[in-house]
Amino acid sequence: DTGVSQDPRHKITKRGQNVTFRCDPISEHNRLYWYRQTLGQGPEFLTYFQNEAQLEKSRLLSDRFSAERPKGSFSTLEIQRTEQGDSAMYLCASSLGGNGNQPQHFGDGTRLSIL
Amino acid sequence: AQSVTQPDIHITVSEGASLELRCNYSYGATPYLFWYVQSPGQGLQLLLKYFSGDTLVQGIKGFEAEFKRSQSSFNLRKPSVHWSDAAEYFCAVGPTGGGNKLTFGTGTQLKVEL
Repeated sequence: DTGVSQDPRHKITKRGQNVTFRCDPISEHNRLYWYRQTLGQGPEFLTYFQNEAQLEKSRLLSDRFSAERPKGSFSTLEIQRTEQGDSAMYLCASSLGGNGNQPQHFGDGTRLSIL
Repeated sequence: AQSVTQPDIHITVSEGASLELRCNYSYGATPYLFWYVQSPGQGLQLLLKYFSGDTLVQGIKGFEAEFKRSQSSFNLRKPSVHWSDAAEYFCAVGPTGGGNKLTFGTGTQLKVEL
């Protein structure tokens, strides 16, 4: 169990640029989740995958955001035309399947700063 | 919709003192409940979880939590705090029967005085 890995750890970009983050889940986990955490707040759910299928998306996930998990392993989260309000920590988590009784394991996150 | 309230934004305790962090939830049925801890610049580490059964659950690092259905609470406790426990603590609720998203509280920042 090598844990959930996220890359990069930090990303600084100018407003209007596109950014992409990667998440590698724990290898045997078929569920993968993305959350966003702003300063002083708890993580907020963005989307989740079961294998390669994206099963739920939050209303927070505007059309500038897109997530993929093409082979049911790693996932990418892309933000197009970044805005100041996108500055946050983006957290990835993974879990085994089930009826919700499998805990989610989190990576260390990608901190995005928009200049 | 499910929600979680952590009424204490900041708590300061002396090393060796006992600790209780409060968590109240709103959910239509008995939810799955979790406590996570986050150190600065890091992700979240699971401390403990409640799914069913015994309402007092034990976790890592000497933490425990008690589920009280009548009060819709899931408070986190530790009998003797160590300086290394200083961090932010998040309570979360997950839906039963088809788990996907977790709903988190806003967190409680714990400071430990030596």
